[in-house]
Amino acid sequence: QSALTQPASVSGSPGQSITISCTGTSSDVGGYNYVSWYQQHPGKAPKLMIYDVSNRPSGVSNRFSGSKSGNTASLTISGLQAEDEAEYYCSSYTSSNTYVFGTGTKVTVL
Amino acid sequence: QLQVQESGPGLVKPSETLSLICTVSGGSIRSSSYYWGWIRQSPGKGLEWIGSIHYSGSTYYNPSLKSRVTMSIDTSKSQFSLKLSSVTAADTAVYYCARRQVAAVHYWGQGTLVTVSS
Repeated sequence: QSALTQPASVSGSPGQSITISCTGTSSDVGGYNYVSWYQQHPGKAPKLMIYDVSNRPSGVSNRFSGSKSGNTASLTISGLQAEDEAEYYCSSYTSSNTYVFGTGTKVTVL
Repeated sequence: QLQVQESGPGLVKPSETLSLICTVSGGSIRSSSYYWGWIRQSPGKGLEWIGSIHYSGSTYYNPSLKSRVTMSIDTSKSQFSLKLSSVTAADTAVYYCARRQVAAVHYWGQGTLVTVSS
């Protein structure tokens, strides 16, 4: 199974909105509403930010939102803050009853 | 609050078997709603799903690792384990244990670095 494709880096100024894409195939992202997004700060374990395409776990800021269109899922961070600077990974369930992660996106707050 | 914690050797020799245990606390390992799993991250690289196990014993493995991976669960000890055989330097990574609910990992361990070196 191939990793889902994410841009290597995305940047924005404080207060701006940014969007991270996650492109797969009809066998993973496009086939199921089982896309999740994780935030990882250096040296830390990943943290779940979005599950099932657009749901936020309790405690996650509503500045984070998710969506999907066809084989591409997206994570949008609005009102960008310095603390949002981190690596972000998407993940999807696949038709092989397995899971695949994205390549990761480094978010930089300018 | 649920916690999962990895334990095991931090150094494994090439061609040997990597063995890790994950201890679950603050919640039941026997819930039918959850799958317990392992995810790894090579230094400076992305995340890689290794596999999942249900308390019933059902397992699901990454096809690229399937021939070398064995996962098991001991509900009496609230633990599940990972064995990865015939390791090489490419298996050097931080290994995370985790709890998956449906298709998302809601709880992660802190991770443990396993280095493969002679």
